[in-house]
Amino acid sequence: AQKVTQAQTEISVVEKEDVTLDCVYETRDTTYYLFWYKQPPSGELVFLIRRNSFDEQNEISGRYSWNFQKSTSSFNFTITASQVVDSAVYFCALSDEYSGYSTLTFGKGTMLLVSP
Amino acid sequence: KAGVTQTPRYLIKTRGQQVTLSCSPISGHRSVSWYQQTPGQGLQFLFEYFSETQRNKGNFPGRFSGRQFSNSRSEMNVSTLELGDSALYLCASSFLRKQNYGYTFGSGTRLTVV
Repeated sequence: AQKVTQAQTEISVVEKEDVTLDCVYETRDTTYYLFWYKQPPSGELVFLIRRNSFDEQNEISGRYSWNFQKSTSSFNFTITASQVVDSAVYFCALSDEYSGYSTLTFGKGTMLLVSP
Repeated sequence: KAGVTQTPRYLIKTRGQQVTLSCSPISGHRSVSWYQQTPGQGLQFLFEYFSETQRNKGNFPGRFSGRQFSNSRSEMNVSTLELGDSALYLCASSFLRKQNYGYTFGSGTRLTVV
C-alpha cells in the first residue's frame, strides 16, 4: 500500500534561515508521482511541484528546491532564505498506479513557523 | 479564471443531522475529488467523480455520499452526523482524471458537529 511519512511535525526558524522539509514515501509501483502542497491558514492547498518517478533531476524554483532520491524513497523540499510568508503547513503527497493516479495519499504535514 | 469554489465556508450542525456541501470546479474541469482533513487522521480521500460518475471511493462509511452534475459541479452529503465528522472538507478539480495533470484545491468547508 502507499504511504507518505513526514517525520517533522513542526519546524520553527528565524527569517532568512534555510529549512528542509523531509518526505519519505512507500509504493510498490514503478510509475508514480510525487507532490508538495502548501496550506496557509486560509485552508486551501496550494500546489507547489509535481515530479514523476522517472525524473530524478533536482529542481530549483526561486527560493524553493526539491531533492528527489529514489534510492532512499525521499522527496525533500528546501526553502532558502525563509520568509514570514512561508509560514504554513506543507504536505507531501503520492499518486501511483495502484490508485489509478486519481487519488492523492498525503503525509501528515509539517507545520513551518517562520518568525521575524 | 475563477478557482475552485466551495460553499459554505463554515457550517455548524448537530449530531444526527445531515449536511450537503457544494463544490464548483474550475471552468472546463471535469474531475472532482473530495478529501476530509482532521487533526488526527490528516488528509484522507473520500471520493472522485468524473463525467457524473463516481470513479473511486475512499474508506469511509456509507453515510458519506456524493454526486456530480452535468456542469461538473459536485455535492457531497453526510447523513446522521457524528462528532467525528467535524473536519475541513476539501474539494479539488482537474481537467482530466490522472494526477499527472494535477489537481487544484478549493479553500474548503469547515464543518463542526456539536
